[in-house]
Amino acid sequence: QVQLQESGPGLVKPSQTLSLTCTVSGASVTNGGYYWNWIRQHPGKGLEWIGYIYYSRSTYYNPSLKSRLTISMDTSKNQFSLNLSSVTAADTAVYYCARVDTSLPYYFDCWGQGTPVTVSS
Amino acid sequence: SYVLTQPPSVSVAPGLTARITCGGNNIGSKSVHWYQQKPGQAPVLVVYDDSDRPSGIPERFSGSNSGNTATLTISRVEAGDEAGYYCQVWDSTSDHLVVFGGGTKLTVL
Repeated sequence: QVQLQESGPGLVKPSQTLSLTCTVSGASVTNGGYYWNWIRQHPGKGLEWIGYIYYSRSTYYNPSLKSRLTISMDTSKNQFSLNLSSVTAADTAVYYCARVDTSLPYYFDCWGQGTPVTVSS
Repeated sequence: SYVLTQPPSVSVAPGLTARITCGGNNIGSKSVHWYQQKPGQAPVLVVYDDSDRPSGIPERFSGSNSGNTATLTISRVEAGDEAGYYCQVWDSTSDHLVVFGGGTKLTVL
């Protein structure tokens, strides 16, 4: 059974970099059959897709976050990570990692439980 | 970028049928997926590719998609169905790629 688990600091100061990691079990991030994604949800709001990384380390980012965003992969730990720089209070959200099977159609079939992040001094 | 429009809320009495819509320009030409999210939990896929159900999802959940509207239908609604529901498309023609609807809160009266 595939499981995804987010981890990282729950509190980040404004202007700093938010760093989160998603640890995958039951599947390999080097499997070319999946896109590994980050999604966030602002308090009381809807879902916002952040971006994904593929086993080849190619990435695709939400244009609205692209200038501040880096998604990377650590195959030795079977993890992928999110770095979001120059954060503000608007980046306060619950952050989810999720998997998409690259066989069409593309939908999120497995999600982590989510980790809340607050941006505050 | 592509926009998906959902009603903020839908209310239904137990045992009746709830219909949650997702509007988008020519959405019938796209593959639509639906997620259920209960408070404090991660979203769960309930319908994919317009009308298919993942294993473990009750047959009471069904979907359709035509023209400018996709619809999630929940038959014989139960108290446990009370949740937020989100539609989603993967739009390879858009630089935003993944689009979610704004979500609909289903209230079971």
